[in-house]
Amino acid sequence: GAVVSQHPSRVICKSGTSVKIECRSLDFQATTMFWYRQFPKQSLMLMATSNEGSKATYEQGVEKDKFLINHASLTLSTLTVTSAHPEDSSFYICSSRIRGGPYNEQFFGPGTRLTVL
Amino acid sequence: LAKTTQPVSMDSYEGQEVNITCSHNNIATNDYITWYQQFPSQGPRFIIQGYKTKVTNEVASLFIPADRKSSTLSLPRVSLSDTAVYYCLVGDTYQAGTALIFGKGTTLSVSS
Repeated sequence: GAVVSQHPSRVICKSGTSVKIECRSLDFQATTMFWYRQFPKQSLMLMATSNEGSKATYEQGVEKDKFLINHASLTLSTLTVTSAHPEDSSFYICSSRIRGGPYNEQFFGPGTRLTVL
Repeated sequence: LAKTTQPVSMDSYEGQEVNITCSHNNIATNDYITWYQQFPSQGPRFIIQGYKTKVTNEVASLFIPADRKSSTLSLPRVSLSDTAVYYCLVGDTYQAGTALIFGKGTTLSVSS
């Protein structure tokens, strides 16, 4: 299957700093990538849809100025958590599907554990 | 997207067959049924997908009755490593640019 990587796998930062998370499709082109957040013992919550070369689409309740998404190429999308606070501590996961492939067979990255002190 | 309902949790022992049922009463004609598996601190992994009757792969089987209002994921002879959360999703497979929406999932615990 297709491989999606994320970097870093875990990050600890101080409150007020910004953190960038990278999501890469290693062996396929991804015109669309999705960003999810998952709190402990909860399901994945969709944050935004990232489209190559255009603005991301955010889900209701997700602050676009706080969670900056950039999808500058067909293999890379980045999520920047700006001015992070402890309540932003969570597990962030990206996903994508192979261009032209079925939408419900998506490939997920391994996730990034963010801890804000 | 059709709403899905699954048991919150299930317990099993190694070597047993586990069947997890998902109900999706409002499934649409174009919708497929897809199951994902998620281990702790990892991203979900696609397991199996089907439209009707039975689908089998090297990991699991998916049984879908004629009315398609429910489906059952069957894991043969589970092992400790099958302990994970299993998600049932229903949607149109060809909707480009549409994200997967996850429900609460079923936490399967396998003991020795």
